Amino acid sequence: QAQLVESGGGVVRPGQSLRVSCAASGFSSSSYGMHWVRQAPGKGLQWVAVISYDGRNTLYAESVKGRFTISRDDSKNTLHLEMNSLRVEDTAVYYCARDPRDGYKGYYFDYWGQGVLVTVSS
Amino acid sequence: QSALTQPASMSGSPGQSITISCTGATSDIGRYNYVSWYQQHPGKAPKLIIYDVSYRPSWISNRFSGSKSGNTASLTISGLQAEDEADFYCASYTISGTLVFGGGTKLTVL
Repeated sequence: QAQLVESGGGVVRPGQSLRVSCAASGFSSSSYGMHWVRQAPGKGLQWVAVISYDGRNTLYAESVKGRFTISRDDSKNTLHLEMNSLRVEDTAVYYCARDPRDGYKGYYFDYWGQGVLVTVSS
Repeated sequence: QSALTQPASMSGSPGQSITISCTGATSDIGRYNYVSWYQQHPGKAPKLIIYDVSYRPSWISNRFSGSKSGNTASLTISGLQAEDEADFYCASYTISGTLVFGGGTKLTVL
């Protein structure tokens, strides 16, 4: 049974950095595209970023482009999201999600983590 | 990329059928058959219920079905049950290579 577990959330000041991670188990993450999706408190879902199965393709939502970096360490079955220059509006629960496809096109998510809360506040 | 448009809330009685709409544009829903739907109960992670417009994962009841016409996708839930009460989100792959979600629909089972 595939499982995703996020970690690394917390409270940071505006302008600071934070890295959240996602540990995959029950499957080999190197065969799948992987994504980050976030949800601000009381709000809807927002797609954040994708990394292809081979790590060669990364794409970002306009709101995070240039500030966030998605990466993967398949030797540890782990996905990361490095978040720099954080803003108050980045406050959200961050979910990692598995894409049954390769992460190049036609995304959808068959497994989700439980989410990790990132709070940006002065 | 603007969010897809969903009704903010819908309601139905047990046993009834309801259809949730999701309207996009020619750059997303109208261009690709890459629409997915997710159900989210309070405090829980979203769960996939439909992918590629009308395909159901093996673990999803056949009471859930999806369709698309032009720039609008739809999710139909037949035989409403109390446990269907949740938030529902549509999503579509876009011409930019990104993914866009709908604003979400809160379903109440009366």
